[in-house]
Amino acid sequence: ETGVTQTPRHLVMGMTNKKSLKCEQHLGHNAMYWYKQSAKKPLELMFVYSLEERVENNSVPSRFSPECPNSSHLFLHLHTLQPEDSALYLCASSQDLFPAGINNYGYTFGSGTRLTVV
Amino acid sequence: DAKTTQPNSMESNEEEPVHLPCNHSTISGTDYIHWYRQLPSQGPEYVIHGLTSNVNNRMASLAIAEDRKSSTLILHRATLRDAAVYYCILNAGNNRKLIWGLGTSLAVNP
Repeated sequence: ETGVTQTPRHLVMGMTNKKSLKCEQHLGHNAMYWYKQSAKKPLELMFVYSLEERVENNSVPSRFSPECPNSSHLFLHLHTLQPEDSALYLCASSQDLFPAGINNYGYTFGSGTRLTVV
Repeated sequence: DAKTTQPNSMESNEEEPVHLPCNHSTISGTDYIHWYRQLPSQGPEYVIHGLTSNVNNRMASLAIAEDRKSSTLILHRATLRDAAVYYCILNAGNNRKLIWGLGTSLAVNP
């Protein structure tokens, strides 16, 4: 158990579907993140929330819509996706936004949602 | 943003030590060196981090060169469960995000 739980673990959706990914953490962390991991590519940061406020949106298409209703939950709403959006979507949390320092142990990731768009 | 260079893949035998290298020749004085690993079908997990001095924890050791332009993650006795992709990342702090590379894929032979 990593402390960050993502559901579902696997999702297959058609290009016209609407679905949502869920992330939950009970670590008391104040920042949450969505990452995309495509095959043979580095992790790409998509969205960042700090204390439920979105602080970063890295040029992500509008077919991805994040929501952070409270500091423990993060959603990624998906609609009219393309096959190239198929990837592993990872949620992470950290005590502080973009943590650093010798006593700061970085990010806790969930196991991800493997998304396939058909 | 300073970047790191790692070998694409490495191989080790079970119960032998593994030394995973990382070059970061453009590191700045305030960059922390972080290591994460990603097991199959999992998200990345924190392994260890340091600034200048060598660091040890229950998972691994981190050896940092005196000029800080390279570092080595040391797994003292590799097990099959250590087979993963290992990422070396520079953390500049100051509200700056991590820059991820492709890491080193470590295979452990029984």
